[in-house]
Amino acid sequence: KQEVTQIPAALSVPEGENLVLNCSFTDSAIYNLQWFRQDPGKGLTSLLLIQSSQREQTSGRLNASLDKSSGRSTLYIAASQPGDSATYLCALKGGSEKLVFGKGTKLTVNP
Amino acid sequence: SAVISQKPSRDICQRGTSLTIQCQVDSQVTMMFWYRQQPGQSLTLIATANQGSEATYESGFVIDKFPISRPNLTFSTLTVSNMSPEDSSIYLCSVVNLVYEQYFGPGTRLTVT
Repeated sequence: KQEVTQIPAALSVPEGENLVLNCSFTDSAIYNLQWFRQDPGKGLTSLLLIQSSQREQTSGRLNASLDKSSGRSTLYIAASQPGDSATYLCALKGGSEKLVFGKGTKLTVNP
Repeated sequence: SAVISQKPSRDICQRGTSLTIQCQVDSQVTMMFWYRQQPGQSLTLIATANQGSEATYESGFVIDKFPISRPNLTFSTLTVSNMSPEDSSIYLCSVVNLVYEQYFGPGTRLTVT
C-alpha cells in the first residue's frame, strides 16, 4: 500500500527566502506525481505534474523533482512571497485511478 | 486544463437531513472523482463516477450514505444523506485529463449542526 509523507508539516520563512518542501513515498511503481496548492477553505490548484519517466518540471519560480529510486520528490520555491502562503500537497498516481495524498506542508511566508 | 464548478460553495445543515452537491465541468470527461477533506486532514477519495455505470466506492464509503449520479459526461452530483456532525467537511469533485493530470473544483464546505 502506497504511503505518502510530507515533512515538515509546517514551515515559516521570511519573504525572499528560497525553500524546499519534501515528499516521500514507499512504492516506486508510480505513474505520475503531482504537486498542489490549497488556500484555506478552498479547492486544490495543480502546480506541477511529473510523469514517471521525468526527473523534474519547472513553472516560474517553482521547480519539482522526482527520484523514484529513493522514493522522494521535492518542490523548490524561489524568492518566496507572502502570496505563496498556503498548504502544499503532493499526490501520487499508481496503478489504480485514484491519487494518494500526503497530509501537506503548511507554508507561511512572512513579509 | 479543465474548469470545474461546484454548487453550493458552502452550506450549514441540520443533523438528519441530506444535501446534494453539484459538479459541472466545461469539457467532456470519462471519469469524475469525489473526495472528502475533513478538518485538518488530507483528501480521501469517496468514489469514482463513470458515465453510464454505477459509481465505484472506496472502502468505508457506501452508496446509501453517498449516492452519486452521473447523467452525462460533464455533470455529476454527490448526495450526503442523513447527515451527522462527523460529515462536516469540504467535498471536492475532480477530473483527469489524458495524461492523468488531476484538476479539482473549488469545493463545497459543509457544516452539520
